[in-house]
Amino acid sequence: EPEVTQTPSHQVTQMGQEVILRCVPISNHLYFYWYRQILGQKVEFLVSFYNNEISEKSEIFDDQFSVERPDGSNFTLKIRSTKLEDSAMYFCASSEIGLAGGPTGTQYFGPGTRLLVL
Amino acid sequence: AQKITQTQPGMFVQEKEAVTLDCTYDTSDPSYGLFWYKQPSSGEMIFLIYQGSYDQQNATEGRYSLNFQKARKSANLVISASQLGDSAMYFCAMRETQDSSYKLIFGSGTRLLVRP
Repeated sequence: EPEVTQTPSHQVTQMGQEVILRCVPISNHLYFYWYRQILGQKVEFLVSFYNNEISEKSEIFDDQFSVERPDGSNFTLKIRSTKLEDSAMYFCASSEIGLAGGPTGTQYFGPGTRLLVL
Repeated sequence: AQKITQTQPGMFVQEKEAVTLDCTYDTSDPSYGLFWYKQPSSGEMIFLIYQGSYDQQNATEGRYSLNFQKARKSANLVISASQLGDSAMYFCAMRETQDSSYKLIFGSGTRLLVRP
């Protein structure tokens, strides 16, 4: 069964460093998303991406964050200068295009990257 | 106001029994979707079941069913014949379609523990 994959599974970094989290969405999916989950808290939406541009972003997704689809398979989230409060689990998700052109409802999540900023 | 409310931070159930996890939602969008995800201790988010706001029937997927009561704005997850492997965090989520927003809005989750 096709699945979303994410690398690395864990990342430890020093405050102020740049990190790049990588995702390979399900191959026929064209809508991509990043979410984060701070330890013990609910899952929060960061950004959605379609047709090589951001569709929607949340207040969390400030200038420190960027997303990119560098090739036909990868989807990346970059945090330019990490802060302590960026420590969280980061989930990538993807969904198909529905008949009406928008994404179908179900978003399939990857296993997550656990980021720890020291 | 909270868009998704899960009032049960933790639940216990005996193995082989059924359990209901509560979820209420708040939206003025006539077209929306409701989802349940399971998060085991390993951390991944596993899609369980989906209910569209216009669906006439309650969704079912194997041992999972969704008790959708639109007028009450509730979408409770029912797990029948609980198994030890069902012990996990369960999140209810909603997707609204107004303003072409496709993001999922999650509740705070319910931790389910299945007792042998």
